[in-house]
Amino acid sequence: SSELTQDPAVSVALGQTVRITCQGDSLRTYYTIWYQQKPGQAPVLVIYGKNNRPSGIPDRFSGSSSGNTASLTITGAQAEDEADYYCNSRDSDGDHRVFGGGTKLTVL
Amino acid sequence: EVQLVQSGVEVKKPGESLKISCQGSGYRISNYWIGWVRQMPGKGLEWMGMVYSANSDTRYSPSFQGQVTISVDKSISTAYLQWSSLKASDTAMYYCARSHLTGPDAFDIWGQGTMVIVSS
Repeated sequence: SSELTQDPAVSVALGQTVRITCQGDSLRTYYTIWYQQKPGQAPVLVIYGKNNRPSGIPDRFSGSSSGNTASLTITGAQAEDEADYYCNSRDSDGDHRVFGGGTKLTVL
Repeated sequence: EVQLVQSGVEVKKPGESLKISCQGSGYRISNYWIGWVRQMPGKGLEWMGMVYSANSDTRYSPSFQGQVTISVDKSISTAYLQWSSLKASDTAMYYCARSHLTGPDAFDIWGQGTMVIVSS
């Protein structure tokens, strides 16, 4: 079982704002990394560190954290944002990396 | 162009051994960690472990400790994931990924994946 918990599925209307959350005790201590994965493709890094985007990731993606909950926010969701999103961080001991179970985002 | 290129599809029988590879190009491999991630059919991502290319320092997820071996040959910029005795439950897509310049938390370059099928 994962030490990071995500909602299995979330939907958003085109152009609206959506927040995808990730809960875990280790998130009080360590940054949360967010990956996007589209069907048949490798994951893509979208957020790292406090709230950093790799080059090529649109600025509609942002990350935040409060207590044991981290969030990935997409402001003005686009059709191409429909994908699975995974949070990732260290485990409680800080020695290993763990993924959340993933959230399937549907853009309506 | 910075990229990771993984070896091709493998079809094996239970009990057989296997070693898959991940070759980096376009960057100096010694400065980075290479991680391995499993994705079973229709399931989520699972962190397996990672290796530091400069000194072969290796860390395994508890779930995969003793089940696989992660290694690296920096002379040919290639990381490996190997099994000594495959099980049907090892059937999955396996991705390698390179750590971000900031350290071994974020992984910004991913291979295309290697599909491993274990079936009698």
